[in-house]
Amino acid sequence: EPEVTQTPSHQVTQMGQEVILRCVPISNHLYFYWYRQILGQKVEFLVSFYNNEISEKSEIFDDQFSVERPDGSNFTLKIRSTKLEDSAMYFCASEQVPGMNTEAFFGQGTRLTVV
Amino acid sequence: AQSVTQLGSHVSVSEGALVLLRCNYSSSVPPYLFWYVQYPNQGLQLLLKYTTGATLVKGINGFEAEFKKSETSFHLTKPSAHMSDAAEYFCAVSEGFQKLVFGTGTRLLVSP
Repeated sequence: EPEVTQTPSHQVTQMGQEVILRCVPISNHLYFYWYRQILGQKVEFLVSFYNNEISEKSEIFDDQFSVERPDGSNFTLKIRSTKLEDSAMYFCASEQVPGMNTEAFFGQGTRLTVV
Repeated sequence: AQSVTQLGSHVSVSEGALVLLRCNYSSSVPPYLFWYVQYPNQGLQLLLKYTTGATLVKGINGFEAEFKKSETSFHLTKPSAHMSDAAEYFCAVSEGFQKLVFGTGTRLLVSP
């Protein structure tokens, strides 16, 4: 069964460092998402991406965040200068075309710890 | 704005007992509603969803949920819990396509 793959599973970084979280979506999917879950809190939408551009972003997704799909396979989330409060589980998801008869498939997540 | 409230961060049941996980939503338009399950060290897996039509929705692993517009609820049930059902369950709402708004999750504990 096709699946969304995220790497690494766990990343520890020092405050102020840049991190890149990687995701390989399901191959025929067109819409891509990043969500995050701070420990003990709800899963929050960060950004959706379609046709090589952001289609929607939340207020969490400020200038420190960026997304791209540089090679047509990997979908990456970059945090330029990490803060302690960026520590969270980050989930990537992909969807063929959003609609009643489709669903978003989620990866296993990357746990980011900022120290 | 959409929102989801899941009552009870933890629910404990005995194996074979009824499972009831509560979800209430707020939405300005007819919502799409979802339940996802997360097993330890795994991603979010869709259990079931409601978009339009029949208000009782059946999902995988014997779970079902009923959309009640008058109560703005979408509670998840399963007649008989199994040990393998122990996981975190997330209710989510969407006002159409794309972005999902999640609840805080309910951890289901199943005892022998």
